Amino acid sequence: AQSVTQLDSHVSVSEGTPVLLRCNYSSSYSPSLFWYVQHPNKGLQLLLKYTSAATLVKGINGFEAEFKKSETSFHLTKPSAHMSDAAEYFCVVSDGNNDMRFGAGTRLTVKP
Amino acid sequence: DAGITQSPRYKITETGRQVTLMCHQTWSHSYMFWYRQDLGHGLRLIYYSAAADITDKGEVPDGYVVSRSKTENFPLTLESATRSQTSVYFCASSTTGGLRNQPQHFGDGTRLSIL
Repeated sequence: AQSVTQLDSHVSVSEGTPVLLRCNYSSSYSPSLFWYVQHPNKGLQLLLKYTSAATLVKGINGFEAEFKKSETSFHLTKPSAHMSDAAEYFCVVSDGNNDMRFGAGTRLTVKP
Repeated sequence: DAGITQSPRYKITETGRQVTLMCHQTWSHSYMFWYRQDLGHGLRLIYYSAAADITDKGEVPDGYVVSRSKTENFPLTLESATRSQTSVYFCASSTTGGLRNQPQHFGDGTRLSIL
């Protein structure tokens, strides 16, 4: 069975400082991994995805994530936070069998 | 504009009543999905559909019914609503169900309260 653990339920950063949202996964297969962002009262939007190509994945809005198999991690980073980055972020794992497992989410707060 | 539309956006009903949440997509995606979002659980898959007239259970299907007579529509029905089904419901679609390479596209959600 596959699962995802987002290590922080809430992360608070100042505008202009780096962002780190942590995600560990468990999967019996070579997984696909995704990060989605959810703004208030909206659906989820794909930020980036890993599908066994390059381990460093670049996404939209300056976000990137690195797949580390030895650590079973897929942490999301951004060099400089912007106020518009404040949202809920979800790490997702899929083994390709019509089954996606979502993490519980990390709420990112950006202080001016 | 193409997209995925959920209706209603907000719904309040009483226990024991039947309620149907609608989902419509204009991309002609083969796969459609229903999730519920609850605090501390992220999103959990209720049902999904690979094509018209093909549906299958997800992680939390009990108390829900789906149908898919047309590719573009995927309604979710609570036949006898319970308070535990109070949640935010999201519909999503994708070109493939394998999900290994294709992301899902989400609607804006339906906030359902059951009194």
